[in-house]
Amino acid sequence: DADVTQTPRNRITKTGKRIMLECSQTKGHDRMYWYRQDPGLGLQLIYYSFDVKDINKGEISDGYSVSRQAQAKFSLSLESAIPNQTALYFCATSEGPGANVLTFGAGSRLTVL
Amino acid sequence: GQNIDQPTEMTATEGAIVQINCTYQTSGFNGLFWYQQHAGEAPTFLSYNVLDGLEEKGRFSSFLSRSKGYSYLLLKELQMKDSASYLCAVRGGGGSYIPTFGRGTSLIVHP
Repeated sequence: DADVTQTPRNRITKTGKRIMLECSQTKGHDRMYWYRQDPGLGLQLIYYSFDVKDINKGEISDGYSVSRQAQAKFSLSLESAIPNQTALYFCATSEGPGANVLTFGAGSRLTVL
Repeated sequence: GQNIDQPTEMTATEGAIVQINCTYQTSGFNGLFWYQQHAGEAPTFLSYNVLDGLEEKGRFSSFLSRSKGYSYLLLKELQMKDSASYLCAVRGGGGSYIPTFGRGTSLIVHP
């Protein structure tokens, strides 16, 4: 099984719908992240969490919310999806200070019509 | 803020050597990463530099010059499977230890 699992892997939805992307990890890491990737724009940080009681906004948090249900689970919600939120979303985890190398999930491709 | 610049696309021949450059401007510096990302897949960690100099790991090497705000990733003995995007990520000052990613360099290796 993968260290970082994202569900769903692909989702097509309509404008105005509420969408939740889920992420779970078996690495035992405290730190979890949600990134968005658009063609030609690299990875942009949406939200991050350093432990269960810690939630922080990233570069592009508008229109998104998150929930850290447990050390191993971090979900991303789009309360009312819009077409420009069509993108590839990645969850990642890291151990903490030091090198703090990110381990990414396989990604969730979201299309908003 | 941080500004990270790397070429959009590069092409190279199987068996050759290619150097992918990354320049950056940050407030403070706390390390530079290179990740590899095959199309439609997750990025995977390649290298980490925090001190000046060259880090070698098999066919891949990464170099850092902090005074010049410059790094490169060197890929030797290119293989077709090296066709991928290579992401430069820089960690600036402050205590969050979260890197900012450049837009990535798409490397195409042809026979």
